[in-house]
Amino acid sequence: EVQLVESGGGLVQPGGSLRLSCVVSGLTVRDNYMTWVRQAPGKGLEWVSLIYSGGSTWYADSVKGRFTIARDTSENTLHLQMNTLRPEDTAVYYCARLDWNSKAWSGPWGQGTLVTVSS
Amino acid sequence: QSALTQPASVSGSPGQSITISCTGTSSDVGTYNLVSWYQQHPGKAPKLIIYEDNKRPSGVSNRFSGSKSGNTASLTISGLQAEDETDYYCCSYAGSTTWVFGGGTKLTVL
Repeated sequence: EVQLVESGGGLVQPGGSLRLSCVVSGLTVRDNYMTWVRQAPGKGLEWVSLIYSGGSTWYADSVKGRFTIARDTSENTLHLQMNTLRPEDTAVYYCARLDWNSKAWSGPWGQGTLVTVSS
Repeated sequence: QSALTQPASVSGSPGQSITISCTGTSSDVGTYNLVSWYQQHPGKAPKLIIYEDNKRPSGVSNRFSGSKSGNTASLTISGLQAEDETDYYCCSYAGSTTWVFGGGTKLTVL
């Protein structure tokens, strides 16, 4: 069974940093297109970042220059380093596998981790 | 990228059909046959129900169907059931390894 388990969320002040982790079992992070998608409270979904199987990384304009996606192949874990956080970054952050051919999130998804940016 | 436009809410009676629209631009929905739809129950992760405009993943009920015309994609749910009452999101690939989602539609089964 494939499982994705996020952690690392919490309350942080504006301008602060946080590192999210997503421990993956049942599939190899290195061989898949892995992403972060977020959802602000009561709002819609927003794609945040993608790491290719080849290692290239991509970001939404809203987080470019502030967030960094990375993977630890030895731990089969996906990370999202979030710097210079803003109140508008407050959201539940999901890690999820993207199917590259269909450009769709066929799953699985993690359960999400809540990031709250507030003073 | 601007979010795709969905109605905030739609409603229908059990057994009826409803359609949720998703309007984008010629840079996303109108260019790529890569619109996907997700069903999301409160507190849960999204679930893929339509991909590549009109394809259904294995295990998804054939009551769900997708279509597209120009810059507008649509999700139709036929034979409405109480369990269909939840939130639905469309998403389109927008080129250059970017994606844009709709704002979401809350479906109420009367």
